[in-house]
Amino acid sequence: DTAVSQTPKYLVTQMGNDKSIKCEQNLGHDTMYWYKQDSKKFLKIMFSYNNKELIINETVPNRFSPKSPDKAHLNLHINSLELGDSAVYFCASSRGHANTGELFFGEGSRLTVL
Amino acid sequence: AQSVAQPEDQVNVAEGNPLTVKCTYSVSGNPYLFWYVQYPNRGLQFLLKYITGDNLVKGSYGFEAEFNKSQTSFHLKKPSALVSDSALYFCAVRDDSNYQLIWGAGTKLIIKP
Repeated sequence: DTAVSQTPKYLVTQMGNDKSIKCEQNLGHDTMYWYKQDSKKFLKIMFSYNNKELIINETVPNRFSPKSPDKAHLNLHINSLELGDSAVYFCASSRGHANTGELFFGEGSRLTVL
Repeated sequence: AQSVAQPEDQVNVAEGNPLTVKCTYSVSGNPYLFWYVQYPNRGLQFLLKYITGDNLVKGSYGFEAEFNKSQTSFHLKKPSALVSDSALYFCAVRDDSNYQLIWGAGTKLIIKP
């Protein structure tokens, strides 16, 4: 069983469209994250949820809206997609939000905005 | 400000030789340091961490890292490189203000047969 799974793996869409990425973890972790990795491989945290509550919301356009229906799921919805949103989006989870231990990453969702 | 630096974009090593991937950090308190590896088109995988204790930390796949407080470094090492070690390696330090990880820019490790 995959520990952190994201769908879809690939997304190709036009500017202005809305898209969602789903993430699920079966590790029983309390904390989940969304990261963005750009074309230069820089990794930047976007959001962090602990037990369904938003605890980190970095400087991200409000076109990006995370939603955590339960602590095993964290979805990312993006409105009015722009060219600069093209990136690989990674979901991750950890046992707690203090980052003393391992982060478990999904395989990534590659978003291409045309 | 807390930060982490990986001074090398790329490191080339011949198979069988020892490898070192460098990382330096700047934090206000005691550092929580991590190494992760990313294989092509995959998510990041945890290799090892330093929180406290022995300065030499052993991790997955035969990797180890040496914490050096005076040099504020946490270099990743392996005694004998394998071609399969070729990947992108990220160093990270925990930001004490919000407990989030601050990531280095990554170092591409290429092991040549």
